[in-house]
Order: sequence, then C-alpha cells, then structure tokens
Amino acid sequence: QVQLQESGPGLVKSSETLSLICNVSGDSISSSYWGWIRQSPGKGLEWIGYIYDSGGATYNPSLKSRVTIFADTSKNELSLKVDSMTAADTAVYFCARLVVADNWYFDLWGRGTLVTVSS
Amino acid sequence: DIQLTQSPSSLSASVGDRVTITCRASQSIRTYLNWYQIQEGKAPRLLIYAASSLQSGVPSRFSGRGSGTDFTLTISALQPEDFATYYCQQTYTTWTFGQGTKVEIK
Repeated sequence: QVQLQESGPGLVKSSETLSLICNVSGDSISSSYWGWIRQSPGKGLEWIGYIYDSGGATYNPSLKSRVTIFADTSKNELSLKVDSMTAADTAVYFCARLVVADNWYFDLWGRGTLVTVSS
Repeated sequence: DIQLTQSPSSLSASVGDRVTITCRASQSIRTYLNWYQIQEGKAPRLLIYAASSLQSGVPSRFSGRGSGTDFTLTISALQPEDFATYYCQQTYTTWTFGQGTKVEIK
C-alpha cells in the first residue's frame, strides 16, 4: 500500500529557509504527480504546489516567489523548500499524491509535519 | 482567487444523525470540487471527488452533490469515526480550500 511520510526540522528561525522531505513507499514518484499542502491556524488549508514528470512544477501564485518543489527519484522522495520564512509560515505541512484526470484531486496524504517559525 | 465558504463552521450531532455540510463558491467551478476529512494526528482522507464521485474505500453513507457554485456533503447516518473536520477544495483555477466544518459529538 502507498504511504507518504513527511520529515523536517520542526523549528526554523525567521528569515531562514525551510527544507522538508516526503518519502514515498509503494508507488514510484516518477509515475504520478505529487503535491504539498499546508494547514495553519490563520489561513486554514493552503495548496503550495505540485511536481510532475519528476521535474516540472506548478506553484500557488501567492507563494511562487519563495517555494521550490523537486524530486529525488533515486530515493523516491519529494522535497519542498520555502525561503524567507516568517511566523505566517508556521503550519502543518502535508505531501500528497495528485490524481490527474477530468478533475484533479489529492487521493493519498501523509500525516503531516509541524513547522514552527521562531523569531 | 475563488473563495469557498462552508457552512456551518461547526455543528454538534449524535451518532445516527443525518448531517449536511454546504460549500459555496464565489464563482462557478462546474464540478471541480473535492471533499476531505481531517482528524488530528491522522492523514487527511479524500471522501468525494468531482463533486459527487465516491472515493474507493469510503463508506456509502458519504455522498456529494452540486455543480456551479453550490455543493453539499451529506453523511446519511453519522458514525463515531466520522467526528472530524471536513473541507471542500476547488481545482477549477488556483486551487483553494474552504475554511472547514468541524463535526462534534452532541
């Protein structure tokens, strides 16, 4: 069965860069689309972006200038980088598999990892 | 961006109750609407995609309806494991989520 597991530092300082990893088992990241979503107390759920063909990416315009998603096919992992972190970026970050059909939807999610930004 | 407004924001219900949650879009999104369930500490779960299609493995007590701007998620007979927060999501344009509806035990 397919499983996704996010991991990261838990705590980052304001203005620093956040780096998160999503390890995927039971499916090849080369054969599907994959996305990142976050959940914060202030803004609720927010779509961050997705990656496809292990290299192409589409981002939420509101975050595009600070976000990079990329894949390591040798490890079957996705990564998320967010630059210039602020308190507003404190959130639980989820990775998820994206189904691309007539409608697009996230059919499998990880449990998420909490990231807190400190001053 | 398209705004999704869910109502109510929270509700209290008993096991066996019929529960309906509404999601209203700020403009037409045809049927590009999904529903998710989130329980603390668990992976979010897809319930409904394309407004009315039941995701594989999801119990048939969950159903979705709607098109255009008005959508509903109905739980026909609430079970103990259904107490959670439910979110709608549109994938018509820049993807957005509703603010959530928390279903609590009465």
